[in-house]
Amino acid sequence: SQQGEEDPQALSIQEGENATMNCSYKTSINNLQWYRQNSGRGLVHLILIRSNEREKHSGRLRVTLDTSKKSSSLLITASRAADTASYFCATRAIGNTDKLIFGTGTRLQVFP
Amino acid sequence: GAGVSQSPRYKVAKRGQDVALRCDPISGHVSLFWYQQALGQGPEFLTYFQNEAQLDKSGLPSDRFFAERPEGSVSTLKIQRTQQEDSAVYLCASSPRPRGEETQYFGPGTRLLVL
Repeated sequence: SQQGEEDPQALSIQEGENATMNCSYKTSINNLQWYRQNSGRGLVHLILIRSNEREKHSGRLRVTLDTSKKSSSLLITASRAADTASYFCATRAIGNTDKLIFGTGTRLQVFP
Repeated sequence: GAGVSQSPRYKVAKRGQDVALRCDPISGHVSLFWYQQALGQGPEFLTYFQNEAQLDKSGLPSDRFFAERPEGSVSTLKIQRTQQEDSAVYLCASSPRPRGEETQYFGPGTRLLVL
């Protein structure tokens, strides 16, 4: 079963607007990662935030993590049509496992 | 350098047929993962190799699913007696070291359709 739930399930915005996606998860984690998946293609890693971090930036991406609420958000600023994709959060649980547990994803559509 | 590659990219199988899906990880990567992604869902973990050792197969849905990585590089996921519910995209990922914080590098996936 999937660890996380993301909302919204789908999001449509205009180019230049910001997009915010939220992820909730269930168990204690080592880190949380965000991935992007374009139609018909594999997953591409975007950003990783460790459990002892609260916020991280990478280019137009800003990720926050609240371990007390078991939630994370991904903000994409000044969106572009090329940002159109599905976005997934994935958690790596504490322990001796390396597997990632993915959320259900948010489908982002950016209109030019 | 080359990323993770998977073959075939698409596979159509008749129900009951056996299929074999191949993954070529990034050279030198120790860890290799298989995930199954149903339509409209996030990937779900199937199995994990550290070199040639299969350390976690807790996600394999039934004994019809079998994975191997005999020489610690290329991996094959085999599905015997395929069923319609096996239709999904099968993703392979690799990462440089085990038990680290490295991200996983994903291949393009094999889209399996069982008729």
